[in-house]
Amino acid sequence: NAGVTQTPKFQVLKTGQSMTLQCAQDMNHEYMSWYRQDPGMGLRLIHYSVGAGITDQGEVPNGYNVSRSTTEDFPLRLLSAAPSQTSVYFCASNRDAGNNEQFFGPGTRLTVL
Amino acid sequence: GENVEQHPSTLSVQEGDSAVIKCTYSDSASNYFPWYKQELGKRPQLIIDIRSNVGEKKDQRIAVTLNKTAKHFSLHITETQPEDSAVYFCAARNTGNQFYFGTGTSLTVIP
Repeated sequence: NAGVTQTPKFQVLKTGQSMTLQCAQDMNHEYMSWYRQDPGMGLRLIHYSVGAGITDQGEVPNGYNVSRSTTEDFPLRLLSAAPSQTSVYFCASNRDAGNNEQFFGPGTRLTVL
Repeated sequence: GENVEQHPSTLSVQEGDSAVIKCTYSDSASNYFPWYKQELGKRPQLIIDIRSNVGEKKDQRIAVTLNKTAKHFSLHITETQPEDSAVYFCAARNTGNQFYFGTGTSLTVIP
């Protein structure tokens, strides 16, 4: 199993550009989440999904959209990038409500100029 | 929503000494409390976790304790080694599968 994969690893955007961060898992996990990690602030939940077709907002959802059309994929879209979205983004998954352990992807380092 | 506070933000110990990191949470409905280790440039890795119906859990040199009444939980690392140097995060999960993280503790083990 590849586990949780993310692409790209690094990305530089200009203010106002849009892009999609990809996340996929091959463990048949129901639950998937997106976090951003900023210095001194830990990981903050952006959006999460408890199954295909179901998504909800986390702590810091503004400026981001998600969709979950399949169990495997959970892309994160930045509609109009802003410098405040410069961060490291992690995707994570866990099997279901009774299996709590989250597995993290390798992360995407995003810089918005 | 949940609020997780973590202390200290930095911790230095001599090799072989113990390290303790403490977290508090606000939502009494939170039911799962993992601890992650993150090395520079890497993803967080689960090192130990505890469910709300358990008071203590140990795995070799690492232990976690949970006090539900006081809403705090702690990570204990004994006989520290240089390879334990990393940033450690606590987290709390609520019944909606939302994970809330502490702000991290940078642990340095001095040889």
